[in-house]
Parts: sequence; structure tokens; C-alpha cells
Amino acid sequence: DQQVKQNSPSLSVQEGRISILNCDYTNSMFDYFLWYKKYPAEGPTFLISISSIKDKNEDGRFTVFLNKSAKHLSLHIVPSQPGDSAVYFCAAPKSDTDKLIFGTGTRLQVFP
Amino acid sequence: DTEVTQTPKHLVMGMTNKKSLKCEQHMGHRAMYWYKQKAKKPPELMFVYSYEKLSINESVPSRFSPECPNSSLLNLHLHALQPEDSALYLCASSRSGSRQETQYFGPGTRLLVL
Repeated sequence: DQQVKQNSPSLSVQEGRISILNCDYTNSMFDYFLWYKKYPAEGPTFLISISSIKDKNEDGRFTVFLNKSAKHLSLHIVPSQPGDSAVYFCAAPKSDTDKLIFGTGTRLQVFP
Repeated sequence: DTEVTQTPKHLVMGMTNKKSLKCEQHMGHRAMYWYKQKAKKPPELMFVYSYEKLSINESVPSRFSPECPNSSLLNLHLHALQPEDSALYLCASSRSGSRQETQYFGPGTRLLVL
């Protein structure tokens, strides 16, 4: 039962343009969401989070949007840079614990 | 400073070997985690330590044995592993283990079991 889903396994974007990574979840009890970026053979690096009391959180080039009614969140990166090329995971803590449930990841490639 | 360190970076072991993975953080975090990640899959939680006590064991086989000697250190002792245990093992920590906290990950140990 995949409670957090990233339906696009890969995304290719030109440098300078916007990258939009999507994530859907099934558990309406989820109330906190995180995005991590992962390079090969490295651990995930925290990017940005959002609580369910908000619908938007912004940090520099990264903005996360949350649509609770649709159980959908998205990560916008603008402008995209080649160094953003990595796998991006969305994650949410399970409702009664701090156990993180990760999505399957989206591989972003930013080309010049 | 949000650094979690892990040693070794790479490990190759036979099925009869005993080895240990080490994780350290100096952020004053009181919750520490072990995750396992197979290729092209998301990380999966194995264990959670909260205030040096094991709080979650995700039905992990006993050939994996975690240990938290103090609030900064987390070990994972390995014994009689199988080739299918080959994976990237990630350590993470968070401030107190409450739900709406960020977990910070180390670089991982890439384990190969022959």
C-alpha cells in the first residue's frame, strides 16, 4: 500500500525554466510533508517542508504547494539549475509515529 | 550544522562475517533512525531510537542488531547477512522524534554481501 506516490519517475527541464515535481498521498491523516533531494550514493538532503495548516511554503528557489482537498503537493524549483539534477522524494510522517513514508522518487534532469 | 556522519562509506562482507555500521551526530538530537534503501526504491525505516531507547523496530530480522550507546552515537551490528541485504544503509536524526520535525540524513554506508 503506497501511501505516498510520485507518479512521474523522471522529469527533464531546461536550465532557467521551472521544474514542477508532484506528489499524491492517500492518507488524509497526514499533516506534515517534506521534500528531500538525493544524489547517487549519498543520503537524502532536506529541502523544504510544509504543515497542513498552510498551503504554501517558500524558501529561495524552492516553493512547496499543498492542496489538501486533492491530497496533492508539488515542489516548484525556479529557476532550475544543472546542480538541481537529482532524485527528489516527498515524504510524510505516519499519523501516530515519526516514521517517514517516502514516495518512490522523481529523477530530475536539468539540461543547459 | 546539520551533519550526520556514517562510517564506513563502503563495506563488503561475507555471509559469515560480523561487522558494524556507525553513525554519529553532534546536533543534540535525541532521536536517531536506521533506514535501508535498495536501488531505485525509496528509503525504508528499520529502527528508531528515542532518548537512547528503541522505540520502533519495523520487524527487522535479528541478523540486524541496533545499539545506541549514547545520544550522539548509533550502531548497527550485522551478523550472518544474506546477499539480498546488500543496500545503502542510511542513518538519520531529528531533534526529539516528534512528528513535525525534519529528519537529517547521513551519507549512507553502501553494503555488499557476498
